[in-house]
Amino acid sequence: AQSVTQPDIHITVSEGASLELRCNYSYGATPYLFWYVQSPGQGLQLLLKYFSGDTLVQGIKGFEAEFKRSQSSFNLRKPSVHWSDAAEYFCAALGDYKLSFGAGTTVTVRA
Amino acid sequence: EAGVAQSPRYKIIEKRQSVAFWCNPISGHATLYWYQQILGQGPKLLIQFQNNGVVDDSQLPKDRFSAERLKGVDSTLKIQPAKLEDSAVYLCASSSQLAGGRQETQYFGPGTRLLVL
Repeated sequence: AQSVTQPDIHITVSEGASLELRCNYSYGATPYLFWYVQSPGQGLQLLLKYFSGDTLVQGIKGFEAEFKRSQSSFNLRKPSVHWSDAAEYFCAALGDYKLSFGAGTTVTVRA
Repeated sequence: EAGVAQSPRYKIIEKRQSVAFWCNPISGHATLYWYQQILGQGPKLLIQFQNNGVVDDSQLPKDRFSAERLKGVDSTLKIQPAKLEDSAVYLCASSSQLAGGRQETQYFGPGTRLLVL
């Protein structure tokens, strides 16, 4: 069955430190891949997307993600987090005309 | 460009009551989606419209949920009667490409947070 897995439920990171969120997908063919962020009480905001081409994708707010076909992964990174990055992050994959989401990773930023 | 609009933002009802949510997609977007997001989980697709036709409603609990997009623009999602387990955030999204088309990016509204007591 097609699925998206985010292994980390919760990550705590210090402000100014780097952040990496993991995402793995299980699909027959490489799906389109997305990262969304959801701040408390808000909807989902698109951070970045991968369709094809360069496997390192740049997004908004200083985020980037790297697609690795051999590992079926699409991990999200940010070199230096800001307190405003505290939110829930969702990885999603578009395959068979459906967008499937992982369960999300909650990021807490400590001063 | 205005984003996806949803109302109300919050709703509290008692079980067995009915409730309706409204969504206005980004202007010109042909595809509209309703998702249910239960606390601690990722969004789950309930129904997908292409203009005013249903593309996929396989995950919609049709005994109590209904949705329509009569003029191919805004949409309503209804629950009747509501159950405790319907407590969730209901997200609306829209995209400009045809369903399943290349480079389909979905843009989400702020959601309606429903609490069923």
